[in-house]
Amino acid sequence: KAGVTQTPRYLIKTRGQQVTLSCSPISGHRSVSWYQQTPGQGLQFLFEYFSETQRNKGNFPGRFSGRQFSNSRSEMNVSTLELGDSALYLCASSFAGTNTGELFFGEGSRLTVL
Amino acid sequence: QKEVEQNSGPLSVPEGAIASLNCTYSDRVSQSFFWYRQYSGKSPELIMSIYSNGDKEDGRFTAQLNKASQYVSLLIRDSQPSDSATYLCAVNTYTGTASKLTFGTGTRLQVTL
Repeated sequence: KAGVTQTPRYLIKTRGQQVTLSCSPISGHRSVSWYQQTPGQGLQFLFEYFSETQRNKGNFPGRFSGRQFSNSRSEMNVSTLELGDSALYLCASSFAGTNTGELFFGEGSRLTVL
Repeated sequence: QKEVEQNSGPLSVPEGAIASLNCTYSDRVSQSFFWYRQYSGKSPELIMSIYSNGDKEDGRFTAQLNKASQYVSLLIRDSQPSDSATYLCAVNTYTGTASKLTFGTGTRLQVTL
């Protein structure tokens, strides 16, 4: 069974640009959640999508957005990048959602903002 | 006060010893608790879940929960060098409209030979 796939794995952007990250969940999983991981803050919850609907959202500015498609694949977008957005962005898939706590994480997309 | 607090470590234990990792949480209505392991440069993976007060054992791992003290711990018996990783505590809280899974910043464990 294929795991969670995230693309791209690494990317470098400059301040003010925007970026789109993609996540393909495990087959059959309807929930995709996104987390930002930084050394100082740890794993911070961005949002969760379940069957194409945003189920929950963390405390991030509106520059961070996401969506989920009918095949459960998800994208997240960050507009007007800031230096502080440099982080590892992790996608996690789950059959029933984050409420089960049983998340399967992808390898992450490491974003560097210059 | 952080919602989920962990000592960042590193916690250093000799091979074969018991490693004790601790986590406290602030929301009394939290319902379920999880331990994830994250090797350096890798993504987190779920190793234990616990839902009720007491102990839950799985191989060399034991999770302990005390809801009155808002405290959850992970014991690793017979620690091995391969256990060297960062251990993340995660707490699930139902807010009335949605569940929220909050992670601590993790404790780095080093098992020495």
